[in-house]
Amino acid sequence: TQLLEQSPQFLSIQEGENLTVYCNSSSVFSSLQWYRQEPGEGPVLLVTVVTGGEVKKLKRLTFQFGDARKDSSLHITAAQPGDTGLYLCAGPTGSSYKLIFGSGTRLLVRP
Amino acid sequence: DAGVIQSPRHEVTEMGQEVTLRCKPISGHDYLFWYRQTMMRGLELLIYFNNNVPIDDSGMPEDRFSAKMPNASFSTLKIQPSEPRDSAVYFCASSPEGEGWNSPLHFGNGTRLTVT
Repeated sequence: TQLLEQSPQFLSIQEGENLTVYCNSSSVFSSLQWYRQEPGEGPVLLVTVVTGGEVKKLKRLTFQFGDARKDSSLHITAAQPGDTGLYLCAGPTGSSYKLIFGSGTRLLVRP
Repeated sequence: DAGVIQSPRHEVTEMGQEVTLRCKPISGHDYLFWYRQTMMRGLELLIYFNNNVPIDDSGMPEDRFSAKMPNASFSTLKIQPSEPRDSAVYFCASSPEGEGWNSPLHFGNGTRLTVT
């Protein structure tokens, strides 16, 4: 069974700090997606990484896919209160459209 | 586009009652997914459809749960009879086929179900 483990579970930081959250698996994934979910809303896609070693940037967010395609990280530079939310990684299982999600990292950025 | 629309936003019901959750996917999306989110178990896939046909329902907890997609613009998730452990936020999501399993999921804002 493919599983995605995310760490840390919770993170509370001050505005302006940098942070990294992780998504790890013992299985190889063909791609990984990162979503952000705000209270009362559904998750919203941030990025998809497809190639091992790939790095993608979205403003202050940097996403990296591990060389072996078993892990991914999300780095936020100079975090802002608007970055507060639940960050979820997700990957397809096998050759199906079933997308499994990690348990998420809940981020709080204090002003 | 209006996005994925779910109704109701909140549902409170008593144990044993039937509950029906509704979803309108984004027009033109070929895939529709039902997920359940709880603090303990996170986001779990219950069932997904392709072109209105159920493809994988292995995540449906038990026979009390059923889902239908009578046409490309409407799907329902029914729980009968409901139990307190069914309390969760239920999300519907849709996806276009074009990028294969790299296609993004577009989620609705969920239905928060409370069974007392």
